[in-house]
This record gives sequence, structure tokens and C-alpha cells, in this order.
Amino acid sequence: NAGVTQTPKFQVLKTGQSMTLQCAQDMNHNSMYWYRQDPGMGLRLIYYSASEGTTDKGEVPNGYNVSRLNKREFSLRLESAAPSQTSVYFCASRLGRGRSTEAFFGQGTRLTVV
Amino acid sequence: AQSVAQPEDQVNVAEGNPLTVKCTYSVSGNPYLFWYVQYPNRGLQFLLKYITGDNLVKGSYGFEAEFNKSQTSFHLKKPSALVSDSALYFCAVTKGDSNYQLIWGAGTKLIIKP
Repeated sequence: NAGVTQTPKFQVLKTGQSMTLQCAQDMNHNSMYWYRQDPGMGLRLIYYSASEGTTDKGEVPNGYNVSRLNKREFSLRLESAAPSQTSVYFCASRLGRGRSTEAFFGQGTRLTVV
Repeated sequence: AQSVAQPEDQVNVAEGNPLTVKCTYSVSGNPYLFWYVQYPNRGLQFLLKYITGDNLVKGSYGFEAEFNKSQTSFHLKKPSALVSDSALYFCAVTKGDSNYQLIWGAGTKLIIKP
């Protein structure tokens, strides 16, 4: 099983450029998440989608937009990249709406903004 | 403010010795608690969780964790460390009023020396 697949794995952007990070899961999970990981800060939630057709802001949504295209796919868009958005981005999914279900993560996208 | 603390940035253990990675939390309500592991250049993988019941929870790869409500702690343990256990470990706790959001610790780097 592929699980959670993210593309691309690496990306270098110039300040002001835009890009979309893609995420797809094949586990029929309902909720999907975008996190960023910065050294010494753990994971910070950018946006999440509780179910197909809904999206909500997380802890650090500024500078990002998301689209829950269908149940499988959840994309993250940077409209005008800034050096502060240099980070490793992880997509995750969870089976249900309950608080007890664990998350499955993609392998991450390492983004550098110069 | 709700928070999760992993007080040690790094833990060094000799192979074969027991290991403990510490996690304490401050959240409202009755949280669910999780441990995840991240190997280099990989996404996070679920290790174990505490929902309710027995305070000692067993998980993947021989890991276990002890929930202590009075001390608001959820320490990760293993009786005998392996070199292959070397990785970054994250504690996460459900945010009090959310079915979706987790609060993450900053992570603890575990180094097992042969």
C-alpha cells in the first residue's frame, strides 16, 4: 500500500514564486492535514480538512491556501513564497473524526525559499 | 496555554540498556496521547497511544509508555535499546476542544551507541 504520497520531495523557490504541494492518500481516510516541521519546534499545523469539502485553519495558516480536491487529495499552495516558509512540509491523514485515531504521514517535502 | 514538553533535546543510551524519553503535558480535559518516531529523511510513524484503561501501553518495536495522570506525563520506554532505535521521537496530545488538532512536543533525538 502506498499510504500517503507527497510530491515533490524537494523544491527550491525564489522569493515571490508560487507553487502547490500535492498530497494523496489511498486509505479512504476522512481527515487530512498539512504540517510544517522546523528544527526545535516540532510540528505546527497549517491547515486541515475534517472531511471532503471542508477546510479549516490551523496554528500557522498565513501565506498558505489549501484545497480538498476529493476524498483522496489535499493540496497546499504557497501564493508568494517567502524565506520564512523554508521548512519541511508533511501531509497526514486520519481515518475518522474521533480524537483517538492515529495519523499516517507522507515522507515530506523539503522546501527552500531563496 | 495548552502545551507539550519534551524536556530533553537529546538522549544518549548504550545498546542493551533501558531507555526513557520524557513527555509532560498541560491541556484541558482528558487528552489522548501519542508517540511517533521519525527516521532520517522520512515521515513520522505512529508508535503507540493512550486512550483509556491500563496506564502502561505497549506499542510497536518493543516500545511502551506509561501514562501518569497526576504528574501529567507520558514517558516512552524500552527495556533494552537497539542501535536501530536511534531516531527523533515526538510526543503529541489531543487539543482539549478539538477532534482534529494535536499539540506536538519539539522532539527528542535518541542516540543509541553500540
